[in-house]
Amino acid sequence: NAGVTQTPKFRVLKTGQSMTLLCAQDMNHEYMYWYRQDPGMGLRLIHYSVGEGTTAKGEVPDGYNVSRLKKQNFLLGLESAAPSQTSVYFCASIPGGPIPYNEQFFGPGTRLTVL
Amino acid sequence: GDSVTQMEGPVTLSEEAFLTINCTYTATGYPSLFWYVQYPGEGLQLLLKATKADDKGSNKGFEATYRKETTSFHLEKGSVQVSDSAVYFCALSANNDMRFGAGTRLTVKP
Repeated sequence: NAGVTQTPKFRVLKTGQSMTLLCAQDMNHEYMYWYRQDPGMGLRLIHYSVGEGTTAKGEVPDGYNVSRLKKQNFLLGLESAAPSQTSVYFCASIPGGPIPYNEQFFGPGTRLTVL
Repeated sequence: GDSVTQMEGPVTLSEEAFLTINCTYTATGYPSLFWYVQYPGEGLQLLLKATKADDKGSNKGFEATYRKETTSFHLEKGSVQVSDSAVYFCALSANNDMRFGAGTRLTVKP
């Protein structure tokens, strides 16, 4: 099992450009999450999904969109990138069920720089 | 809303020293509590967890006890090693999301 993988690992964008980050998991997990990690702020939840075809907003959703067309994939889109979106992005998943009882499995991260 | 506060770093210790990283939380319900570790260039890995009051989580010599009366979940290790150098995150989980502390960078010197 590859676990949780993220594509790409690094990306540099210019302000106003768009891009999509891909998260894939091969563990048949129901729940998937997108976080951003900024210095001194820990991880903040952007969006999450509790199953194929569902998405919900997290703590910092503005400027991002997501889609979960297939159970194993969770896409994070930036329609018009801004320098404030420079960050490291992590995807995570859990098997399902009541979240308090499940650890999250994390991908290796995508480092995004917006100039 | 729910939140986690952990001691600011960085923390620098000598090998075999005792480690404590403080973590306190605010939650309206009864969250589960976690410690994650992040090694350079990698994602977060679960270190230990506790799902109810007075539970003790332990792994790799690290321990943390869920203290409801003090709303705390402090991480401890009796004797740190160079290989423990990493960033440690305290987190709580309630409802449908997880909240993380800011992270504490630990450096252990030989």
